[in-house]
Amino acid sequence: AQKVTQAQTEISVVEKEDVTLDCVYETRDTTYYLFWYKQPPSGELVFLIRRNSFDEQNEISGRYSWNFQKSTSSFNFTITASQVVDSAVYFCALKYGNKLVFGAGTILRVKS
Amino acid sequence: KAGVTQTPRYLIKTRGQQVTLSCSPISGHRSVSWYQQTPGQGLQFLFEYFSETQRNKGNFPGRFSGRQFSNSRSEMNVSTLELGDSALYLCASSLLGAGLAGLGYEQYFGPGTRLTVT
Repeated sequence: AQKVTQAQTEISVVEKEDVTLDCVYETRDTTYYLFWYKQPPSGELVFLIRRNSFDEQNEISGRYSWNFQKSTSSFNFTITASQVVDSAVYFCALKYGNKLVFGAGTILRVKS
Repeated sequence: KAGVTQTPRYLIKTRGQQVTLSCSPISGHRSVSWYQQTPGQGLQFLFEYFSETQRNKGNFPGRFSGRQFSNSRSEMNVSTLELGDSALYLCASSLLGAGLAGLGYEQYFGPGTRLTVT
């Protein structure tokens, strides 16, 4: 069965600190996609990044970067130089078929 | 391009009533999925529609149903409401539906409808 685990319930950092959000997934599919979404207080889920199961190349996009490792089934997400506006709930999700399976989410609080 | 819109944004209903929620996807998107978000269960997949056909269904009772129209707009209906149905209902649209061709397309979410059942 597909499952996504975000062990960190809540993280608090001070502005400008780097923060890494952990995500571990389980799937028997060989083709799958992983996503990170952000949910600010307004409630709308905002798409951040996507990675497919064929490509383990890690990338950086602005202040965001991610580390995908199939060997450990992990898809961690890092925010560099965090800002107060980054405060939100972050969800890691696994997609198979057209169904997203979400982790429980990590609350990120960035203090000024 | 306009995003996913959901109406109404807030709704208060009484146990036993039924409710219909509406979702308009991004123009050109043919797949619409619905999710329920509660503090206890988190985000859970309800169902997905593509070209007016239900393609996927989550583990929810038959009181939860939906449909999609020819213009890709979708409605979700919950009958005989229970207190536990209080939740944020999120609609998401994507360019393609199920299958490997659509696997990589991200889903764009609407602001949600917050349903409170009293």
